[in-house]
Amino acid sequence: AQSVAQPEDQVNVAEGNPLTVKCTYSVSGNPYLFWYVQYPNRGLQFLLKYITGDNLVKGSYGFEAEFNKSQTSFHLKKPSALVSDSALYFCAALRYSGYALNFGKGTSLLVTP
Amino acid sequence: NAGVTQTPKFRVLKTGQSMTLLCAQDMNHEYMYWYRQDPGMGLRLIHYSVGEGTTAKGEVPDGYNVSRLKKQNFLLGLESAAPSQTSVYFCASTGTNSKEQYFGPGTRLTVT
Repeated sequence: AQSVAQPEDQVNVAEGNPLTVKCTYSVSGNPYLFWYVQYPNRGLQFLLKYITGDNLVKGSYGFEAEFNKSQTSFHLKKPSALVSDSALYFCAALRYSGYALNFGKGTSLLVTP
Repeated sequence: NAGVTQTPKFRVLKTGQSMTLLCAQDMNHEYMYWYRQDPGMGLRLIHYSVGEGTTAKGEVPDGYNVSRLKKQNFLLGLESAAPSQTSVYFCASTGTNSKEQYFGPGTRLTVT
């Protein structure tokens, strides 16, 4: 069965420091992986995706993610965090039936001034 | 483009009442989805549709029904609401090629 895990419920970072939000996956075959962000009382916004190709994927708002096949990980990163990056972040894997998404439980990112 | 819209934004139901949540998209997407979001559980797929007139069950379909009579609309029905259906409901859509899903703003449903 396919699954996505986000091992941290919350990540705290000081503004200006690099941030990492972790994601691991269990998928048979080639994984299609996504990161979404949710601001309070809003829907989910797409950040980036890995389909194939370069292991470092660049996305919106300065975020990037590193795909590591041997570690089955897809960690989200940003070199310098902003207070406005504080939000809930979801990692997801594409299901082959109907192109639906399997989501992790989410990681709350708090960036302090 | 409005993207994905959802109606209503908020609703309070009593146990046993029924309601329909409406999702509309103006991107000509083939695929549409209903998810529910509960604290600490991420988003879970309720039902989905791969095209007009077709629907399929997701991982938590019990207590819900759906219809896709028009390509741009995807309706989620609760025939007899239960407190366990208190949640935030999100609709999403995607095209055949892009795979990334576009989400609506959500409907916050409380069943008392």
